Amino acid sequence: DVKVTQSSRYLVKRTGEKVFLECVQDMDHENMFWYRQDPGLGLRLIYFSYDVKMKEKGDIPEGYSVSREKKERFSLILESASTNQTSMYLCASRSGTARQETQYFGPGTRLLVL
Amino acid sequence: AQSVAQPEDQVNVAEGNPLTVKCTYSVSGNPYLFWYVQYPNRGLQFLLKYITGDNLVKGSYGFEAEFNKSQTSFHLKKPSALVSDSALYFCAVLTNFGAGSYQLTFGKGTKLSVIP
Repeated sequence: DVKVTQSSRYLVKRTGEKVFLECVQDMDHENMFWYRQDPGLGLRLIYFSYDVKMKEKGDIPEGYSVSREKKERFSLILESASTNQTSMYLCASRSGTARQETQYFGPGTRLLVL
Repeated sequence: AQSVAQPEDQVNVAEGNPLTVKCTYSVSGNPYLFWYVQYPNRGLQFLLKYITGDNLVKGSYGFEAEFNKSQTSFHLKKPSALVSDSALYFCAVLTNFGAGSYQLTFGKGTKLSVIP
């Protein structure tokens, strides 16, 4: 079974702090994704990566950056957390193209920025 | 731009009754459509997808979805609902992000509650 793990289930940070959200997948998938999930807005793609050291902006990249130094790990970074970044963050991974393959999701990290 | 709409925020159904969760799409060209489910405090799980072929797609946990091109719909169905089906359901469409990259664009989600 594919396993996607996220470093924290719940996180509380203060405004202005630098926040790292870590995601690890164990199936050698090329593609990895970060989404945020908000009530009434569904899932919105923040960033994705199709290879090590490669990254592409999604729909809402402002205020975020990412890092992919190793194939299995994809990090989401909030350089200076703000209260409007309070949300549920979901990581996903996929092998191959979206036409052919299924995306697998981690359990999510619920971030509260005070 | 490709998009999906889930017109109902919440659907309530009695256990044992058939359930339908609605999704309509707006795409140029042939649509690639997906359904995912999210159980409480969990990540999303893939249920089924329509790429081409049969309009009735069967998926996990007894769910199926019917692709209707004339009505631009992809409704999720199950003949007999279980309490354990209570969850948040997301419809998604494949979207071109440029440079040959295709990603999923999700609807806003529909909360399904199955009442015992």
